[in-house]
Amino acid sequence: ILNVEQSPQSLHVQEGDSTNFTCSFPSSNFYALHWYRWETAKSPEALFVMTLNGDEKKKGRISATLNTKEGYSYLYIKGSQPEDSATYLCAFGGTSYGKLTFGQGTILTVHP
Amino acid sequence: GAGVSQSPSNKVTEKGKDVELRCDPISGHTALYWYRQSLGQGLEFLIYFQGNSAPDKSGLPSDRFSAERTGGSVSTLTIQRTQQEDSAVYLCASSLTLTETQYFGPGTRLLVL
Repeated sequence: ILNVEQSPQSLHVQEGDSTNFTCSFPSSNFYALHWYRWETAKSPEALFVMTLNGDEKKKGRISATLNTKEGYSYLYIKGSQPEDSATYLCAFGGTSYGKLTFGQGTILTVHP
Repeated sequence: GAGVSQSPSNKVTEKGKDVELRCDPISGHTALYWYRQSLGQGLEFLIYFQGNSAPDKSGLPSDRFSAERTGGSVSTLTIQRTQQEDSAVYLCASSLTLTETQYFGPGTRLLVL
């Protein structure tokens, strides 16, 4: 059974704060690491797909890094806004392509 | 363009009844996936279809669960003789190929009474 862990489980920050959370995953049979944002009553939204060790991706105020050798990825949000409030999910894609193994998610609440 | 759509949005059923959940993937996407999220749990893989290949059913929790994909497009997930533990949000996703980004639908919230 693959173990994908996210921390913290939940996070409360003030508007304007920068924040980050962690996803740890198996370092063997790695193909890709996905990040999604899931707002209540909406579809999970794809943020990043990363495949190469050392990858860094950026989308607006959100960025992510990847370390496949040690099996972790960080997601950073700069200058959090209330609309960033959501559950952030990471998902491990192994070399048995197709199925993703998701972490439990980090629930972010940004207070105005 | 149109995203992944799912129907119904919500379904309440009685224990022992059969239910069918429908997924319309993004046009042109060859891969289609089903996941579910039970209360307090993470998203759990159920099954995927890729083109004309045999589906990967390794995530289906029991033989009460089945899925088909007709004509390489629409998919139906069927749960027979529903149990209370089947209550969950069932999410469908599609992607261009197995290695590309998976785009999710809004889900079907199933409640088994």
